[in-house]
Amino acid sequence: DAGVIQSPRHEVTEMGQEVTLRCKPISGHNSLFWYRQTMMRGLELLIYFNNNVPIDDSGMPEDRFSAKMPNASFSTLKIQPSEPRDSAVYFCASRSMSGARYNEQFFGPGTRLTVL
Amino acid sequence: GENVEQHPSTLSVQEGDSAVIKCTYSDSASNYFPWYKQELGKRPQLIIDIRSNVGEKKDQRIAVTLNKTAKHFSLHITETQPEDSAVYFCAASLTGSARQLTFGSGTQLTVLP
Repeated sequence: DAGVIQSPRHEVTEMGQEVTLRCKPISGHNSLFWYRQTMMRGLELLIYFNNNVPIDDSGMPEDRFSAKMPNASFSTLKIQPSEPRDSAVYFCASRSMSGARYNEQFFGPGTRLTVL
Repeated sequence: GENVEQHPSTLSVQEGDSAVIKCTYSDSASNYFPWYKQELGKRPQLIIDIRSNVGEKKDQRIAVTLNKTAKHFSLHITETQPEDSAVYFCAASLTGSARQLTFGSGTQLTVLP
């Protein structure tokens, strides 16, 4: 298995632009999580899905952020419009809700976002 | 909701010495406690976890202890090596449900050669 796949790995954009981050979870996993990591705030959960349904989006900072999971193998996190304070590393993680390792979250490589 | 506090935020040890990182949690219903290691520029990766029906778990040089009464758990690394240098995160959640992990703020461990 290729693990959790994220794209792009790096994104540099200008303030006000729309940014779309993409995630492909591990095949067979039915939970997907979006995190944001910064030095100041650490690792923050933004939103998570079970079976493609958003369960808890209380971590989404504001209406500029939105996330979708149209099917079991793809999710997007969109920021529109982007601001410099959105600069961070965004991680996607997935988890199986069954099996021997059902609690373990597997993280993707992250997307480093820089908003100028 | 759950709140996890982690200490210390930075820790430096000499190679070969032991390192201990401590976490406390607030929700007494939490029953799953993983530890993640994140090397510089890399993704967090699970290194060990413990469930509330177990007081201690060991895997080679790393061990985790859990005190449910006091609501704290600790990571112990023995015979530290330079490759142990990384940020370590503790977390807590419920198992058997769709609950998310609540992470601690992380500990930067530096093993000095």
